[in-house]
Amino acid sequence: DAGVIQSPRHEVTEMGQEVTLRCKPISGHDYLFWYRQTMMRGLELLIYFNNNVPIDDSGMPEDRFSAKMPNASFSTLKIQPSEPRDSAVYFCASSFTGGYSPLHFGNGTRLTVT
Amino acid sequence: ELKVEQNPLFLSMQEGKNYTIYCNYSTTSDRLYWYRQDPGKSLESLFVLLSNGAVKQEGRLMASLDTKARLSTLHITAAVHDLSATYFCAGGRDDKIIFGKGTRLHILP
Repeated sequence: DAGVIQSPRHEVTEMGQEVTLRCKPISGHDYLFWYRQTMMRGLELLIYFNNNVPIDDSGMPEDRFSAKMPNASFSTLKIQPSEPRDSAVYFCASSFTGGYSPLHFGNGTRLTVT
Repeated sequence: ELKVEQNPLFLSMQEGKNYTIYCNYSTTSDRLYWYRQDPGKSLESLFVLLSNGAVKQEGRLMASLDTKARLSTLHITAAVHDLSATYFCAGGRDDKIIFGKGTRLHILP
């Protein structure tokens, strides 16, 4: 089991550019979550999917953020246009519903917007 | 809306001492999680607590859940330096999993 795989690990971009973060969940997991971590705000839930369907995107900060899950093995989080305040570590996590299993986190993408 | 609060947010303690981290949540949560995060790393699951009175232990860490008080605790026994990390609790409600701000634990030799 390779775990949750995120790419890229680090992303540095200029303000105004489009950024796409990628996530491959653990095979067989039916929930996928995107979180953002900053020192000031901690871990914020942005959006989560169940069986590839977005269930709650109320945590997405603005229309500049969008997320998709075209199939069970791939999800993207896109920021367009990016701003310096988007700088953070973005984590993807997956789980399966049986027995309220824990979230399995990827290694995160550290985004820096200059 | 589920809110999760931890205290303390920072804790510096001596090796060999015992201490407890507290996690309060604002509304009914049907499960409670504890995670550990080392600096620059991802989050690692420690415990999942599913029912009132649940207690789980792993090494020097013990977690408990009181659903009536909406309180979970993470107790550290005879702390060692290797336990230095940030510890998060998270509550689950309607499939959403909401994290507390974390407790940064620094254990002094």
